[in-house]
Amino acid sequence: DTGVSQDPRHKITKRGQNVTFRCDPISEHNRLYWYRQTLGQGPEFLTYFQNEAQLEKSRLLSDRFSAERPKGSFSTLEIQRTEQGDSAMYLCASSQSTGATDTQYFGPGTRLTVL
Amino acid sequence: AQKVTQAQTEISVVEKEDVTLDCVYETRDTTYYLFWYKQPPSGELVFLIRRNSFDEQNEISGRYSWNFQKSTSSFNFTITASQVVDSAVYFCALLGSYNTDKLIFGTGTRLQVFP
Repeated sequence: DTGVSQDPRHKITKRGQNVTFRCDPISEHNRLYWYRQTLGQGPEFLTYFQNEAQLEKSRLLSDRFSAERPKGSFSTLEIQRTEQGDSAMYLCASSQSTGATDTQYFGPGTRLTVL
Repeated sequence: AQKVTQAQTEISVVEKEDVTLDCVYETRDTTYYLFWYKQPPSGELVFLIRRNSFDEQNEISGRYSWNFQKSTSSFNFTITASQVVDSAVYFCALLGSYNTDKLIFGTGTRLQVFP
């Protein structure tokens, strides 16, 4: 059973550039989540999808951030006009909605460094 | 408001020692779920256990055990006979049952097991 995959694993960019990350969930999972983790902190929720619908967005997700899941499979997270404060690990997770609370399984993350 | 507190920032032990990682949570929900995840140096969050608020029975899985006490809002994690491979950051997380699907994480406890 293939786990959650993320690409790229590392990204270094200059301030002001746009970056895009991709997440491929576990194949039968219909829910997909994005979290951000800064050094020494726990992950913080950004947004989540059920199939292709984006159901919740955190206030952390500024106008420069946009996430999509066009066909209900993989998802992309784009950050426009990156700032140094965007440097963090971006984690993707997926789960299978069964009507009860599901367990979220995480990918390896994309570490973003903004110079 | 929901909150998870992991007061121990870092713990160091010698191999074969037992170690307990503390987790205290706050929630107004009557139904909620608690999780522990392990984050090794590779960065991927590995799911360890999920417990719902109605099930206060303690659980043991090999060298791992969990002690859930609603009276003190705690969900502590014990590793018996620790091994070097247990070295990682461990996160406790809370998920409320009402109208939310986001995990609230603590700040994590870094466990270092020395040979």
